[in-house]
Amino acid sequence: RKEVEQDPGPFNVPEGATVAFNCTYSNSASQSFFWYRQDCRKEPKLLMSVYSSGNEDGRFTAQLNRASQYISLLIRDSKLSDSATYLCVVNRDDKIIFGKGTRLHILP
Amino acid sequence: NAGVMQNPRHLVRRRGQEARLRCSPMKGHSHVYWYRQLPEEGLKFMVYLQKENIIDESGMPKERFSAEFPKEGPSILRIQQVVRGDSAAYFCASARGLTGGVPQHFGDGTRLSIL
Repeated sequence: RKEVEQDPGPFNVPEGATVAFNCTYSNSASQSFFWYRQDCRKEPKLLMSVYSSGNEDGRFTAQLNRASQYISLLIRDSKLSDSATYLCVVNRDDKIIFGKGTRLHILP
Repeated sequence: NAGVMQNPRHLVRRRGQEARLRCSPMKGHSHVYWYRQLPEEGLKFMVYLQKENIIDESGMPKERFSAEFPKEGPSILRIQQVVRGDSAAYFCASARGLTGGVPQHFGDGTRLSIL
């Protein structure tokens, strides 16, 4: 079983809709969690950190559920510019582990 | 530009040649990570270095690949006797200290193509 797993998608979502994806991690000793965004043929960029208390940044909300070992990302009122691959990232013992990413296509 | 700098952006090599990829971390960052991304794949960790030390190279292939981060100058990822399967995007990321809770910042990557 992979340490960080994501549904690869693609998720095809109409503009303005709300979309959510989850990521599961297998090692309960994982310490910190992030969502990154990667556009085609570009470098990953930090989107937001993820906390048990939840973290909201504009249209984006991230949540961590330690008991169930999953992380979620919710995007409200999706824009065309949200089209990208979203990478779930877990930090354990100074090792940063990336999920393979979930592809999101926002449709006009 | 105080970001992570990687060069070259694109590198073309013939099979059997050597490839050298360079990464200058953000100012004040002493930790460097190298990742490889194959087409349509996620990022795969290769190696984690601090100045003059390799901390974790568990993701590095045992042969042909080496990395260094000297006291002065950029970090170098070196691939000897390249093969077609080495074609990929290689990303470098830097961090100020131990990464617990500290997100990494990535360079633009080097796209390596092997003819």
